[in-house]
Amino acid sequence: NAGVMQNPRHLVRRRGQEARLRCSPVKGHSHVYWYRQLPEEGLKFMVYLQKENIIDESGMPKERFSAEFPKEGPSILRIQQVVRGDSAAYFCASSPRTPGTKRDYYGYTFGSGTRLTVV
Amino acid sequence: DAKTTQPPSMDCAEGRAANLPCNHSTISGNEYVYWYRQIHSQGPQYIIHGLKNNETNEMASLIITEDRKSSTLILPHATLRDTAVYYCIVRVDYNTDKLIFGTGTRLQVFP
Repeated sequence: NAGVMQNPRHLVRRRGQEARLRCSPVKGHSHVYWYRQLPEEGLKFMVYLQKENIIDESGMPKERFSAEFPKEGPSILRIQQVVRGDSAAYFCASSPRTPGTKRDYYGYTFGSGTRLTVV
Repeated sequence: DAKTTQPPSMDCAEGRAANLPCNHSTISGNEYVYWYRQIHSQGPQYIIHGLKNNETNEMASLIITEDRKSSTLILPHATLRDTAVYYCIVRVDYNTDKLIFGTGTRLQVFP
């Protein structure tokens, strides 16, 4: 499968629990982006990571949210002590291209998302 | 700030051309215009991008006005599977490639 794999596809958590969302980028892609989409809204940028580094987390809420992209394994978006307002679709995208370079742009590849429901 | 303005919704008959407009009057000289679409409940899909010349690929054509303040995405022969939300995006951060999505245009293709 050449696409971005996200799991789980659906996740239900009770208020106060932790949610862990996983994203395996396209093989060979070293740039990962996380976006959040609230119901009936557009996607909002959360964080951009390269292997072992957080490059831009300007869209991440300052508390309870964290992200990582380890040298080995998938990227993880972690939400601690979830609240009902965290209910949303979380999309991961990957890119092979180093931003700012003149290499051809073929667009991100997005995963199918994880739909988090907090009850 | 998405820097783009799109109509919230449009209809198109199957087999006809769908022309989706986008205004980006504050675009700067080195900013590209990107189009993505999101079919219900799926992740967005890249369609096409351009700087100032018209572009065409197997999915669509992109027409950018000479002053670059607006553009039109053209789906030459719309099918029911083209029903989706279409996002026109002007990238704002060359250091990260992060995309700033607006609210898009919900295109409904009808039989």
